[in-house]
Amino acid sequence: EIVLTQSPATLSLSPGERATLSCRASQSVSSYLAWYQQKPGQAPRLLIYDASNRATGIPARFSGSGSGTDFTLTISSLEPEDFAVYYCQQRSNWPPEYTFGQGTKLEIK
Amino acid sequence: EVQLVESGGGLVQPGGSLRLSCAASGFTFSSYEMNWVRQAPGKGLEWVSYISSSGSTIYYADSVKGRFTISRDNAKNSLYLQMNSLRAEDTAVYYCASTFCSGGSCYSGWFDPWGQGTLVTVSS
Repeated sequence: EIVLTQSPATLSLSPGERATLSCRASQSVSSYLAWYQQKPGQAPRLLIYDASNRATGIPARFSGSGSGTDFTLTISSLEPEDFAVYYCQQRSNWPPEYTFGQGTKLEIK
Repeated sequence: EVQLVESGGGLVQPGGSLRLSCAASGFTFSSYEMNWVRQAPGKGLEWVSYISSSGSTIYYADSVKGRFTISRDNAKNSLYLQMNSLRAEDTAVYYCASTFCSGGSCYSGWFDPWGQGTLVTVSS
C-alpha cells in the first residue's frame, strides 16, 4: 500500500502570504497525484490533478508541482477563503488503490 | 447544476446493515464512473468503492471487501452502497463522488464533484 505523508500538519500564515504544502509518497506514483481542499462542514473539492493541472474553475494562485515521490501545492497569495484543510491523494488504477494523505490544516495566523 | 445528494445514513448497531443512496442530477449520470469515499469524525479521507458507468466493473477497499456492495440504477440516476456486518470503525460521513471529467476526458481515480455526505454511526 502506498502511504502519503503530508507536512506540515498545521501551517499558520496571514492573508497575502505564500503557502507551500508538501506531500511525500512511500513509493513512486509518477504524476498520479491530486490535491483537494476541504472547508469545515463541506465536502472536499478537487484543486489539482495529475500533479500540476488545475481542475475546472480553480484560481491561478493554486499550483502543483512534483513527480515520483515528492509533491508540492503552492498558493501564491493567500485569500481569506483559502484557509482550510488540504489533502493529497494518489491513484493506482491496477490494482485499484486510491489513498489520501492525512491532511495539512492551513490556519490564519 | 451538477448535484449529488446522499441519504440513508443513521445510527445502527454493530453487525447491522444500512443502505446509502446518492441521487444525481444536472449531468448524464449513466456516462460517469462513481465512487464512495468516507471520512471518520475528525479524521482524513478513505476511498471505499468504485463502479464503472455501466456497473460492470466494481472495486472495493480491502477494509470493506465482502461486507459492502456498490450498485447503481442509471434509469433512476442513483448510486447505492449496501453496508452489512457494520463495525464501529465504519462510523463516518459517506460521500458519493463522481470521477472527475474535463475537456471531454475523464480521469479515473480523481474525484469531483462530491455530494454533501451522510453520517453513518455504528454504536450500541
